[in-house]
Amino acid sequence: TQLLEQSPQFLSIQEGENLTVYCNSSSVFSSLQWYRQEPGEGPVLLVTVVTGGEVKKLKRLTFQFGDARKDSSLHITAAQPGDTGLYLCAGKERGAQKLVFGQGTRLTINP
Amino acid sequence: DVKVTQSSRYLVKRTGEKVFLECVQDMDHENMFWYRQDPGLGLRLIYFSYDVKMKEKGDIPEGYSVSREKKERFSLILESASTNQTSMYLCASSLPWGLYEQYFGPGTRLTVT
Repeated sequence: TQLLEQSPQFLSIQEGENLTVYCNSSSVFSSLQWYRQEPGEGPVLLVTVVTGGEVKKLKRLTFQFGDARKDSSLHITAAQPGDTGLYLCAGKERGAQKLVFGQGTRLTINP
Repeated sequence: DVKVTQSSRYLVKRTGEKVFLECVQDMDHENMFWYRQDPGLGLRLIYFSYDVKMKEKGDIPEGYSVSREKKERFSLILESASTNQTSMYLCASSLPWGLYEQYFGPGTRLTVT
């Protein structure tokens, strides 16, 4: 089973600060997805990146897929309390029907 | 609005009971998944199904079975619940092509006492 390592596992910062979450693997993925999960709810898809080096922006969130398609990062600019949640990355192997999930980064933004 | 629903948000069962968790999706997706989520361990795949009556074991199938008699419904069965099966259970569905983006239900928090 491929592993996706997320770091940090926990992050607590003040409103207005910037942060980056990392998702790393030794294996190549054909695509990588980021989900956010709020307490008591299921994960919700934020973005899918497919091409090595691809950058996607979702308001204050910037997602990047590594050139070799083995890693990804999520950068949040001027974090807000509404960004609080568990962020999960998930990779898809070529030919597979299922995803491999990282263990998640629990982000807390303090007002 | 696409939807994946799970039969219960919270469930408390006793050790040894047979437990059924139901999941229904309205997106006509071929693929359906059952995960369990535990702190620090992320989402671990229990079983998935890529068609009616078809199933494949995931990473942690021991102690679980599944049933998919209709395309929209995927059931997870704990034959004899044990305390180490206390967890959050998440159901998801996806298309079998494209980006394989998964849509999740709200989860069932199961406590086995």
